[in-house]
Amino acid sequence: DGGITQSPKYLFRKEGQNVTLSCEQNLNHDAMYWYRQDPGQGLRLIYYSQIVNDFQKGDIAEGYSVSREKKESFPLTVTSAQKNPTAFYLCASSVAQGSNGELFFGEGSRLTVL
Amino acid sequence: SQQGEEDPQALSIQEGENATMNCSYKTSINNLQWYRQNSGRGLVHLILIRSNEREKHSGRLRVTLDTSKKSSSLLITASRAADTASYFCATLNTGFQKLVFGTGTRLLVSP
Repeated sequence: DGGITQSPKYLFRKEGQNVTLSCEQNLNHDAMYWYRQDPGQGLRLIYYSQIVNDFQKGDIAEGYSVSREKKESFPLTVTSAQKNPTAFYLCASSVAQGSNGELFFGEGSRLTVL
Repeated sequence: SQQGEEDPQALSIQEGENATMNCSYKTSINNLQWYRQNSGRGLVHLILIRSNEREKHSGRLRVTLDTSKKSSSLLITASRAADTASYFCATLNTGFQKLVFGTGTRLLVSP
C-alpha cells in the first residue's frame, strides 16, 4: 500500500540531546513537508522540500534541520537549540509544486522532552 | 504564519444533526482545502475547492467559498459519532508554494 511512514511514533528525549524523526514515502511524490502541532493548535510549517537535494525553511525552522538525499526520505532532526521541542510532528507529501497542493500525511511522531 | 481561523473552536452536537464550521483567511488563494484529524493521528484530506468555484459536494460534505469575504464553510449533514474529530481548513496561496493551515474546529458528535 502506498503511503507515508513516520517513526518512531513516540520518542522521549533528555534536554541537550539531538533526535531524528524518520519520514519515508512510497507515493513517488516530489514534495515533502514537516509540520509541528501543539495541543489545541493548528499546524505550523518547519521545513519543506520540493525536489531532491533542495529544501526551504518554513515558518518555525529555528532549532531544526533536514536533509533530502533521496526522493523517498525526508528526515527531521530536532536539535538541542530548539527550546521547546515537546510537540506532535507530522510529515506530509504532495505530488509536486504547482499541483493542487493536496497533502498526504503520516501518522505522526510525538516527541516529549524529559 | 497562520492563514486561516476556524470558527467555532469547538462544536458539540447530537447524531443526525448537521455540523457547520467556518474558516476565514487573509490573502489571495489558489484553492482551499479541508482536512480531518482523529485524535493523535495524521490529517486526512476531505475536499478541495478552487478559487473560481463557489460550492462543492462530496457525500455528506458541502463546502462553500466566498472569495470576496475570504471565507469558507464546511457542512457535514446527518452527522455520526464517527465524525468526531478536528477539522482544519488550509489555503494554497497563488504562488503555489505551500499550504497554510488554520487553527481547527473540534467536533464532538454524541450518540
